Amino acid sequence: ETGVTQTPRHLVMGMTNKKSLKCEQHLGHNAMYWYKQSAKKPLELMFVYNFKEQTENNSVPSRFSPECPNSSHLFLHLHTLQPEDSALYLCASSQDRTSGGALGSYNEQFFGPGTRLTVL
Amino acid sequence: DAKTTQPNSMESNEEEPVHLPCNHSTISGTDYIHWYRQLPSQGPEYVIHGLTSNVNNRMASLAIAEDRKSSTLILHRATLRDAAVYYCILTPRGSGGSNYKLTFGKGTLLTVNP
Repeated sequence: ETGVTQTPRHLVMGMTNKKSLKCEQHLGHNAMYWYKQSAKKPLELMFVYNFKEQTENNSVPSRFSPECPNSSHLFLHLHTLQPEDSALYLCASSQDRTSGGALGSYNEQFFGPGTRLTVL
Repeated sequence: DAKTTQPNSMESNEEEPVHLPCNHSTISGTDYIHWYRQLPSQGPEYVIHGLTSNVNNRMASLAIAEDRKSSTLILHRATLRDAAVYYCILTPRGSGGSNYKLTFGKGTLLTVNP
């Protein structure tokens, strides 16, 4: 496997279910991200992890719970979701050069194919 | 964060050049200009980025206005596979902090006609 993979690619769940989305990157990156793309809305950043530490939570409801056990894996645990949470959930990774990075360094983000989530 | 303005949609013919404009009149002196695109049913992919000078890579060229208040993504010969939503995004330059945050707008939907 190369790049960023996400499983499952499609998920249908009821509002009382608990499920998890998985993301794995094979690029040796140290930063990982969750984005949400709802129909007819721009992509929204949800969470950022840098060296396994959460550095950004973009006011995401607690029914979304991220987990980053190591720099290659990122999970999004879902529970008691609402129908309006139906969306495409995208994972991305990058090599963040925070530590002694050269001024002006840029960290291209590599995206996975996404998980299409439907909440009934 | 500085904002960008792009046309909602553009149309092109196959094998012709395409110029995708982006206005960013509130850009700061330390903001990078990035372009990503999202093909149907896929995640976004990086296209190109620049700071002040024009840039070329195998996918596209980026022309940046002298005052940096606008830029243009140039696809030299559009193919059907270039049909996608193209996003112009600004992020601050720096050794850390928020320089890794991508704030996506609605982008430009490019249609390529055969």
